[in-house]
Amino acid sequence: DVQLQESGPGLVKPSQSLSLTCTVTGYSITSDYAWNWIRQFPGNKLEWMGYISYSGSTSYNPSLKSRISITRDTSKNQFFLQLNSVTTEDTATYYCATGLRRFAYWGQGTLVTVSA
Amino acid sequence: ENVLTQSPAIMSASLGEKVTMSCRASSSVNYMYWYQQKSDASPKLWIYYTSNLAPGVPARFSGSGSGNSYSLTISSMEGEDAATYYCQQFTSSPYTFGGGTKLEIK
Repeated sequence: DVQLQESGPGLVKPSQSLSLTCTVTGYSITSDYAWNWIRQFPGNKLEWMGYISYSGSTSYNPSLKSRISITRDTSKNQFFLQLNSVTTEDTATYYCATGLRRFAYWGQGTLVTVSA
Repeated sequence: ENVLTQSPAIMSASLGEKVTMSCRASSSVNYMYWYQQKSDASPKLWIYYTSNLAPGVPARFSGSGSGNSYSLTISSMEGEDAATYYCQQFTSSPYTFGGGTKLEIK
């Protein structure tokens, strides 16, 4: 079964970059699916941030387009999120998720707090 | 972007009661997806392609709708169904989620 696990710093200072890793087991990220980042703000609003496809193409939420980058390391079966110039508004639980035209598989989520 | 509005935001139901919650899209969508989330857990895919139950979802759940209006129904409320339910669309990018319906036990 597909399993995803997020990892990265839990605290980031304002104006710095947020970097997270999603490690995938049980499925190759080059086989199929889009590999997504989704975040959930305090108050529980969910926001789709973007994806990198199995072929390496990317798609981003326009609300983030100037700040976001999603990349991958196929040798490690990992994909990454980088969000630049963070503010306190970026405090959220960050999830990686995937599936065939649905978010069928989710990581457990990682809380990232943006604070000085 | 396609804004999904869920109603009600919070509801309570007695055990055995029929429950219906709604999701309205600002633009027509081809299919609606639903996720269940319980406290301190990741969302779980619950219903896909509007009416298909994800593996392991009890048959008392159903989904329906078309165009701009969709709903999730529980035929007979059980205690384990208390959770927040989110609708979500893939028809147009950016993919969007509704604000959620929190279902509590009365």
